Amino acid sequence: GQQLNQSPQSMFIQEGEDVSMNCTSSSIFNTWLWYKQEPGEGPVLLIALYKAGELTSNGRLTAQFGITRKDSFLNISASIPSDVGIYFCAGPLLGNTGKLIFGQGTTLQVKP
Amino acid sequence: DAGVTQSPTHLIKTRGQQVTLRCSPKSGHDTVSWYQQALGQGPQFIFQYYEEEERQRGNFPDRFSGHQFPNYSSELNVNALLLGDSALYLCASSLRQGYGYTFGSGTRLTVV
Repeated sequence: GQQLNQSPQSMFIQEGEDVSMNCTSSSIFNTWLWYKQEPGEGPVLLIALYKAGELTSNGRLTAQFGITRKDSFLNISASIPSDVGIYFCAGPLLGNTGKLIFGQGTTLQVKP
Repeated sequence: DAGVTQSPTHLIKTRGQQVTLRCSPKSGHDTVSWYQQALGQGPQFIFQYYEEEERQRGNFPDRFSGHQFPNYSSELNVNALLLGDSALYLCASSLRQGYGYTFGSGTRLTVV
């Protein structure tokens, strides 16, 4: 079945550093979603991308919809301790708006 | 405005038993989707309920079943529990079968 591959699997960075992570697929997606999950909570939507090449920001977060429609990138600038969590990419199957496929996540730890 | 509410938060069951998890969607949402999240993995789609019917199903056996009530709340039932069913079960609500989900905090099921 379709799979989303995220890298890196985990990151341990210093507060103030910038962070980059990506998500790739063997299949085309028409929408890319980035979620953050904190311990004991469900995923929370950070950014949604709907068009190839689109670059969208949400505060210190910026995400891009890859031009091939098979990848997406998330950048976090000037990381702070509350950025700690697991970041997931996700996308709906083509022609199926209700079911999301999730990547396996990138775990981010920030050292104050 | 209450978000998605799930109960119970934690549950321990014995192999072979049956379990029922409950979900109340966010106010204004009419669709409920259930996801299973194993430790260290991204959520995996189980099924989606809309207008009290199962509309889509992921790659899960028939031991997993559900129900949606007229007030849009939902139940997830798992029969003949296996050790591998141990996971965080997430409920997500949306409007009209879309993927604009709001996730609950989940039910942590442990099968021993």
